[in-house]
Amino acid sequence: DTGVSQDPRHKITKRGQNVTFRCDPISEHNRLYWYRQTLGQGPEFLTYFQNEAQLEKSRLLSDRFSAERPKGSFSTLEIQRTEQGDSAMYLCASSFPGLAGDYNEQFFGPGTRLTVL
Amino acid sequence: GQQVMQIPQYQHVQEGEDFTTYCNSSTTLSNIQWYKQRPGGHPVFLIQLVKSGEVKKQKRLTFQFGEAKKNSSLHITATQTTDVGTYFCAGPSTDSWGKFQFGAGTQVVVTP
Repeated sequence: DTGVSQDPRHKITKRGQNVTFRCDPISEHNRLYWYRQTLGQGPEFLTYFQNEAQLEKSRLLSDRFSAERPKGSFSTLEIQRTEQGDSAMYLCASSFPGLAGDYNEQFFGPGTRLTVL
Repeated sequence: GQQVMQIPQYQHVQEGEDFTTYCNSSTTLSNIQWYKQRPGGHPVFLIQLVKSGEVKKQKRLTFQFGEAKKNSSLHITATQTTDVGTYFCAGPSTDSWGKFQFGAGTQVVVTP
């Protein structure tokens, strides 16, 4: 399977614990996005990487959230001191640049469903 | 800040009927993308519109980008049960490069 993969698919944790999710994008894609999706809502942008550089981070994201993409390949999203409000589906997407660096379609992974008890 | 709104939020359609869902942005978009998310699945890209007034068709789906590039529509003819899902539009942010703003989606339920 050469699509976007995410691990784990499900995570249940207790409030206050730290969690880390991993995303493996399609290999030739240099752009990587993290989104959060709750029931009945569209994906909410969290952060964006171009290669290993984190170029944009949502102002809505608290300091408890951090993401990395070492060597411009896989990416990790860490949430520290989880809260019940963090319960959501965390989606990763990748894409490659369109013409003149414009946007291209995003390929989404299956997501990691986080439940904070 | 920029907002992307979709109406209706929910659409109940009889199989064989047509329907249209709309996407409106508070700011002009350089392009707009449409995605479909099946129940329990992840968003899957359908199409991207770039030019003002652009119309693209995919079988029974017709996508249109408004002349002012602030709105878009998706029209489905002869709805089938396979059309069930939530349809999202998304556009790039005008205040930060790389950030995409998704609408809340239109959830489509099809009755046989």
